[in-house]
Amino acid sequence: NAGVTQTPKFRVLKTGQSMTLLCAQDMNHEYMYWYRQDPGMGLRLIHYSVGEGTTAKGEVPDGYNVSRLKKQNFLLGLESAAPSQTSVYFCASSQGTSGVFYNEQFFGPGTRLTVL
Amino acid sequence: AQKVTQAQTEISVVEKEDVTLDCVYETRDTTYYLFWYKQPPSGELVFLIRRNSFDEQNEISGRYSWNFQKSTSSFNFTITASQVVDSAVYFCALVNSGYSTLTFGKGTMLLVSP
Repeated sequence: NAGVTQTPKFRVLKTGQSMTLLCAQDMNHEYMYWYRQDPGMGLRLIHYSVGEGTTAKGEVPDGYNVSRLKKQNFLLGLESAAPSQTSVYFCASSQGTSGVFYNEQFFGPGTRLTVL
Repeated sequence: AQKVTQAQTEISVVEKEDVTLDCVYETRDTTYYLFWYKQPPSGELVFLIRRNSFDEQNEISGRYSWNFQKSTSSFNFTITASQVVDSAVYFCALVNSGYSTLTFGKGTMLLVSP
């Protein structure tokens, strides 16, 4: 099992460019999450999904969009990148046996994004 | 609103020392869950423990132990006889009963030197 994988691992964008980060999990988990990690800020939830075709906003959703067309994939999009979106992005997934956030989350290796 | 405070930004110890990482939380709910995650230098966060608000028993897992005290709203993590492999950033996190969000603390970086 690969667990949670993220593509790409690194990316450099110019202000105003768009991109999509791909997260894939092979554990048949119901719930998936996108976080950003900034120095001194811990992890902050961007968006999450409780199942295929559903998404919800987290703590810092502005400037991002997400889609969960397939259960195993959760995409994070930046339509017009800004320097403030320079960060490390983590995807995670968890089982759907309890309420969302209650279960252990499995994290991907992260994507380091720099916006110039 | 809920909040998780990890006041220790960075801790440095020498191998074999015991070390305690503090976590203080704030929530209005009576039902909630607390977590600890480890982020080693490789970057990927790893789950360590989950505790619900109705279970105040301390937990021990090998060299790791957790002390949950509702009276002081704390969920502290102790590593006994630390090892270099324990070097990582450790995060405490809280989710309330409405599971509207998961709040992470800012993390404590633990450096264990030989």
